[in-house]
Amino acid sequence: QSVLTQPPSVSAAPGQKVTLSCSGSSSNIGRNFVSWYLHLPGTAPKLLIYENTKRPSGIPDRFSGSRSGTSATLGITGLQTGDEADYYCGVWDSSLNTALFGGGTKLTVL
Amino acid sequence: EVQLVESGGGLVQPGGSLRLSCAASGFTFSSYWMSWGRLAPGKGPEWVANIKQDGSEKYYVDSVKGRFTISRDNAENSLFLQMNSLRVDDTAVYYCSRTREDGGMDVWGQGTTVTVSS
Repeated sequence: QSVLTQPPSVSAAPGQKVTLSCSGSSSNIGRNFVSWYLHLPGTAPKLLIYENTKRPSGIPDRFSGSRSGTSATLGITGLQTGDEADYYCGVWDSSLNTALFGGGTKLTVL
Repeated sequence: EVQLVESGGGLVQPGGSLRLSCAASGFTFSSYWMSWGRLAPGKGPEWVANIKQDGSEKYYVDSVKGRFTISRDNAENSLFLQMNSLRVDDTAVYYCSRTREDGGMDVWGQGTTVTVSS
């Protein structure tokens, strides 16, 4: 069981908007920056969001991040079939002194 | 081009050892934290260890403490993971990643496969 809680799956139609949640605690999300990653089977994770809200170069502005208290959210607008993937939140935990990944959310674009 | 290339994976028996390497290029290696992570079959990513720019701080996930050692050679732009007392549940693809000060892992290698089996 992950310290960071993500819903196992989310689905939405092409063109729609979806929000993926990540719930933690005061020692991780409540204190440190959250990152979001996209993962496709057989490949390395890809950084989508860092410092809660910032996008690396090359990541479209359809992807956005936010943080409130001990929870974080990844938003994706204008869904495309190519967005189907597993999405993971990540954050440093200051009590455990470890980096954490959430359990992941599988996004299905119907 | 910013690039990380892992090597050193393979098949090893339980209790055995392996040393993974990660060659970095295209950026100032000595300016970044670096991490090792892994992806076990059918599972999500798991962070394994990280190391500060000058090697003065190292952190490990509990499951590998006392068995794995992370190190780096800034002169050679290389990151290492010495893995001892390997267990079947260490089987995974291991990735090195460049790690930002905020913790975000923004560059990943292609991975090297470690299989622990008798």
